Amino acid sequence: KAGVTQTPRYLIKTRGQQVTLSCSPISGHRSVSWYQQTPGQGLQFLFEYFSETQRNKGNFPGRFSGRQFSNSRSEMNVSTLELGDSALYLCASSDRQGAADTQYFGPGTRLTVL
Amino acid sequence: AQSVTQLDSHVSVSEGTPVLLRCNYSSSYSPSLFWYVQHPNKGLQLLLKYTSAATLVKGINGFEAEFKKSETSFHLTKPSAHMSDAAEYFCVVSDKAKNFVFGPGTRLSVLP
Repeated sequence: KAGVTQTPRYLIKTRGQQVTLSCSPISGHRSVSWYQQTPGQGLQFLFEYFSETQRNKGNFPGRFSGRQFSNSRSEMNVSTLELGDSALYLCASSDRQGAADTQYFGPGTRLTVL
Repeated sequence: AQSVTQLDSHVSVSEGTPVLLRCNYSSSYSPSLFWYVQHPNKGLQLLLKYTSAATLVKGINGFEAEFKKSETSFHLTKPSAHMSDAAEYFCVVSDKAKNFVFGPGTRLSVLP
């Protein structure tokens, strides 16, 4: 099976702009989670989508939003970008079965806000 | 709430010597635990996971980890380090909602 793919891999934006990141999960996986990784804060959970519904949400402002489509592909949107939004954004998919729902990560999108 | 402590932010070993990366967790119930590795500018790759089936878990690339409930620990070991093992390692606990709570990471350096 193909792994989790994320597009684009690199992105440069300026403050105040908005950005949309895309994630395609492993075939058959219905859960997609998003994480932000920064040197200062480490890996932080943004939100999870399952069958087109947001199931869990981390502690991020409303500028961060997402959605999931019927084919399980997910997009994450950040509006009114701030310098502090510069980070590696990781997407992970899971089949949400079993005692340990292993998450499989994509390569990430590196967002730089100038 | 679940939390993860990785006791060392940086570990340096010589090639061919053993690796020990320490992880302690806090959980109000019997957790699922994972170790992931991240090479520079790459995503996270699963090394191994604990799901209460066996306390000693074997993973990929010669890594293994032992779950010790009494010590709330899940340390990662490898008998002999390779240069290719140099990377960032994350210990992860899965919370009740099955969301991942990451430790801060341990950077492993392998010296020739």
